[in-house]
Amino acid sequence: AQSVTQLDSQVPVFEEAPVELRCNYSSSVSVYLFWYVQYPNQGLQLLLKYLSGSTLVKGINGFEAEFNKSQTSFHLRKPSVHISDTAEYFCAVSLTGNQFYFGTGTSLTVIP
Amino acid sequence: EAGVAQSPRYKIIEKRQSVAFWCNPISGHATLYWYQQILGQGPKLLIQFQNNGVVDDSQLPKDRFSAERLKGVDSTLKIQPAKLEDSAVYLCASSLTSVARDNSPLHFGNGTRLTVT
Repeated sequence: AQSVTQLDSQVPVFEEAPVELRCNYSSSVSVYLFWYVQYPNQGLQLLLKYLSGSTLVKGINGFEAEFNKSQTSFHLRKPSVHISDTAEYFCAVSLTGNQFYFGTGTSLTVIP
Repeated sequence: EAGVAQSPRYKIIEKRQSVAFWCNPISGHATLYWYQQILGQGPKLLIQFQNNGVVDDSQLPKDRFSAERLKGVDSTLKIQPAKLEDSAVYLCASSLTSVARDNSPLHFGNGTRLTVT
C-alpha cells in the first residue's frame, strides 16, 4: 500500500522568508510525485510534478521540489514567500498506473 | 479551455436524505475521478472512471454511494441515505489520460461542500 506523510500540519512563516514543506512517501514500486495547492473554497491546482529525469523540479509561482529516492522524500521549497502563497498544500504520489494518493496537507500561513 | 465544472457548490441536507452531485470534466479528458475531502484531511479517492468504465471503486462505500458516467463525459455521484460523517467537500477531477507519467495531471473542479445535519 502507498502512503504519503506530510510532517507539518501548519507552517507559519514571515513574508519574504524561505519555506520548506516536507513530504515523505512509502512505496515498494516506482512512483510519480506531485504537489498541489488549494486556495480557500477552490479545488486543487498543480504546482509541480516529478515524473523522471532531473530530481530538482521547478513549478509555478516560484516553487521547486527535490526528489530524493534514498530518503523517499519530495520536499517543497520557495526562497521567498508572498502573502498570496497562504494556502493548503498537498503532496501526492501516483503509481505507474493511475491511482493518486494524497497526504493530509500542510497549511501555509504567510505573516506580513 | 474551460475547467472542470461541478454543481451545486453547496448542499445542506438532513441525515437519511439523498443527494446528487454533478461533474462535467474538461472536454476530451478520458479519465474522471471523484474524491472526498473531509475537513483537515487530504482528498480520498472514491471512484475513478476511464471513459464510461470503472477503473477503481475500492474505497467507495457501495451500500450508500453510487456513481455513473454513462456516456463517458458527465458524471454524477449519489449518496443515499446520507450520514453525518458524509459531511465533506466532494471534488471531481479529470485528466487527459489515465497514465501519470504522461503530461496529463489532474485538473480539479471547485468542489461541492456537503453538510449533513
